[in-house]
Amino acid sequence: EDQVTQSPEALRLQEGESSSLNCSYTVSGLRGLFWYRQDPGKGPEFLFTLYSAGEEKEKERLKATLTKKESFLHITAPKPEDSATYLCAVQEGSYIPTFGRGTSLIVHP
Amino acid sequence: GAGVSQSPSNKVTEKGKDVELRCDPISGHTALYWYRQSLGQGLEFLIYFQGNSAPDKSGLPSDRFSAERTGGSVSTLTIQRTQQEDSAVYLCASSRRGNYGGASDTQYFGPGTRLTVL
Repeated sequence: EDQVTQSPEALRLQEGESSSLNCSYTVSGLRGLFWYRQDPGKGPEFLFTLYSAGEEKEKERLKATLTKKESFLHITAPKPEDSATYLCAVQEGSYIPTFGRGTSLIVHP
Repeated sequence: GAGVSQSPSNKVTEKGKDVELRCDPISGHTALYWYRQSLGQGLEFLIYFQGNSAPDKSGLPSDRFSAERTGGSVSTLTIQRTQQEDSAVYLCASSRRGNYGGASDTQYFGPGTRLTVL
């Protein structure tokens, strides 16, 4: 069973059409949950770290939230430049963070 | 300041040859990680360094893979006798502290090395 599951695998939106990406996890002792953005041919770019349930962080059109079982990355009024793969990673205790498979987002103009 | 850098950015080699991939972490970051990412796949953890030691080598797929880190800075991932299934993007990340106490540690990634084994 995967510790980190991201959904959907792929998402197509029209410019301005808000939506959310999901990252669910099964670890018990969460030490941190990370969101990254990855553009084709590049390394993942750090977006947010969330530490505890109820925490929220925002950056431009992105807002990340965390509960005890999952995290959402909300994208408000997306633009074509928001197109990328969004990765979630979870760190349990002192272990190496475990990455999900990512959600590929395409925003059409 | 400068981010994580990796070289080469692209490497094409023939099956059976050895390759070396280099990673320069962010200055002052004590933890360094290597991952592999195949087309359409998630990040596969390979090895983790804290300083010059590697407390976790659990992800290395075979004994053809090895890595070292010198001076608590630059790391080299070596793949001996490359096989076609080694073709992938190899990503390096660094973080300030690694997994010892305190808050969780954010990893910062380099641009990756795309390895193609013919």
